[in-house]
Amino acid sequence: QKEVEQNSGPLSVPEGAIASLNCTYSDRGSQSFFWYRQYSGKSPELIMFIYSNGDKEDGRFTAQLNKASQYVSLLIRDSQPSDSATYLCAVHNAGNMLTFGGGTRLMVKP
Amino acid sequence: SQTIHQWPATLVQPVGSPLSLECTVEGTSNPNLYWYRQAAGRGLQLLFYSVGIGQISSEVPQNLSASRPQDRQFILSSKKLLLSDSGFYLCAWSGQGSYQPQHFGDGTRLSIL
Repeated sequence: QKEVEQNSGPLSVPEGAIASLNCTYSDRGSQSFFWYRQYSGKSPELIMFIYSNGDKEDGRFTAQLNKASQYVSLLIRDSQPSDSATYLCAVHNAGNMLTFGGGTRLMVKP
Repeated sequence: SQTIHQWPATLVQPVGSPLSLECTVEGTSNPNLYWYRQAAGRGLQLLFYSVGIGQISSEVPQNLSASRPQDRQFILSSKKLLLSDSGFYLCAWSGQGSYQPQHFGDGTRLSIL
């Protein structure tokens, strides 16, 4: 069973702080990694993807990938109350299908 | 640009009634298409995926079925709904090729009474 694990949270951070969201995966053959944001009652929205080891930055978001440790993370700098949502980690396995983690609920407090 | 449309947004159905949810994609051809279900407070469960017209793969046994009558149309159906079919149904598309991201429609919230 290919698994993607996330702490369900809630992760609570003050406004302006850095939020760090983590994800581990079991399939060593995984090649691409995605972060989705899902507001309550809404559908998931793709916010970041990463294919290579290291960091990838896009505005306030940084995705970090460590394939040796089978670990991917999402950093949100200068967190805003509007960032409060559930963040889903998704991993492409060798079968070219996405496996989703259960999501981490982030709460940014003003 | 590509867009995905899913309807209806909400649906309340009695147990034992039929179901038809529709999803269409615009702005791309030959997409991969997916149906997911998300139970309240839970993760995404892949129900069906399709790589082409008439080609449907089922991930879990259930009383639901899917069809792809046209390249950019994906339909989720049931002949008789169960209480356990309640949930948030999401259609998604991705491009052909390896490791493409998936993009979701707005979803249908289905309540079974």
